[in-house]
Amino acid sequence: KNQVEQSPQSLIILEGKNCTLQCNYTVSPFSNLRWYKQDTGRGPVSLTIMTFSENTKSNGRYTATLDADTKQSSLHITASQLSDSASYICVVSAINTNAGKSTFGDGTTLTVKP
Amino acid sequence: NAGVTQTPKFRILKIGQSMTLQCTQDMNHNYMYWYRQDPGMGLKLIYYSVGAGITDKGEVPNGYNVSRSTTEDFPLRLELAAPSQTSVYFCASSYLQHYSNQPQHFGDGTRLSIL
Repeated sequence: KNQVEQSPQSLIILEGKNCTLQCNYTVSPFSNLRWYKQDTGRGPVSLTIMTFSENTKSNGRYTATLDADTKQSSLHITASQLSDSASYICVVSAINTNAGKSTFGDGTTLTVKP
Repeated sequence: NAGVTQTPKFRILKIGQSMTLQCTQDMNHNYMYWYRQDPGMGLKLIYYSVGAGITDKGEVPNGYNVSRSTTEDFPLRLELAAPSQTSVYFCASSYLQHYSNQPQHFGDGTRLSIL
């Protein structure tokens, strides 16, 4: 069964600090891994998309890494801001499956405090 | 561009009532999806469509129906509302299928309570 597990479930950090969120998956055969940011009361917004051959991808202060051998990904947030407070969702897709089926993690809720 | 627009934003239904959640996108995307998000849980796929006239079931389709008569619109129908359908519903669209390197674009959700 395809699974995506995210840790920690929640995290509180002070403004200006860095943090790293984890995503472990068992989806196979692997196609891509996405990180989304979901603000409270809003829909998810794409941060990064990584394929099998990509180890690192950045989007501003967000840097995602992928280790396809260990089936792990991380999302590193640098110099956090209050606006980074949100839920971060890891999504993994498999190749050649029915068009609609990706596996979503339960998300990590990040709170940035002043 | 408006992106993906969902209406209504909030709704309270009584058990046994029916309603349609509306979703429209202006990006000319072929692929559209309906998800539900329960508190603390990941998004679950209800139905998806790969183009006008073509729909298919996702993980949790029971109690729901969809249609796709145009590229832009993908409404979700609840026929006999049950308390278990209390959730936040998200519509999404994408240019290519999910295992391509194209992101899904999400609406801001419909918050539905069944009492």
